[in-house]
Amino acid sequence: EPEVTQTPSHQVTQMGQEVILRCVPISNHLYFYWYRQILGQKVEFLVSFYNNEISEKSEIFDDQFSVERPDGSNFTLKIRSTKLEDSAMYFCASSYRLDTQYFGPGTRLTVL
Amino acid sequence: AQTVTQSQPEMSVQEAETVTLSCTYDTSESDYYLFWYKQPPSRQMILVIRQEAYKQQNATENRFSVNFQKAAKSFSLKISDSQLGDAAMYFCAYRDNDMRFGAGTRLTVKP
Repeated sequence: EPEVTQTPSHQVTQMGQEVILRCVPISNHLYFYWYRQILGQKVEFLVSFYNNEISEKSEIFDDQFSVERPDGSNFTLKIRSTKLEDSAMYFCASSYRLDTQYFGPGTRLTVL
Repeated sequence: AQTVTQSQPEMSVQEAETVTLSCTYDTSESDYYLFWYKQPPSRQMILVIRQEAYKQQNATENRFSVNFQKAAKSFSLKISDSQLGDAAMYFCAYRDNDMRFGAGTRLTVKP
């Protein structure tokens, strides 16, 4: 069964550094998403991406965040200058239509 | 903004028994989707069940079923014949354009 994959599973970085989180969505899906979950808290929507552009973004998704689909298979989330409060699980998800989203296993980001 | 409320931070059930997890939501839309996701200790988000708002029939997936009350904006999850592997965080989610999650209910299954 096709699934969403994410790399790395765990990323440790120093405050102020740039990180790129990678996702490979399910191959025939058209909509892509990033979410984050701070430990012990709810899952929060960051951004949705369709037709090579951002379709929705939350107030969390400020100028330090960007997304890209560089090669037709990968979908990346870049955080330009990480802060301590960016430490969280980051989930990628994809969907064929605007209905069920399938989530990847997540990347645990730790900012020191 | 749409909000999703899970009023039970924790629930416990005896193995083989039935448990119901509550979820309410707030929306002015008439067409939307509702989901329950399971998050085990591995922290992966696993889809359990989904419901389209335009369908009156409650969704069922094996031991999992929902009680969808559109007028009351309620979407509870019933787990029958609970198993040890059902122990996890359960998140209710609402979607029209974007997805909103509830705060989650931690389910413990006692042997």
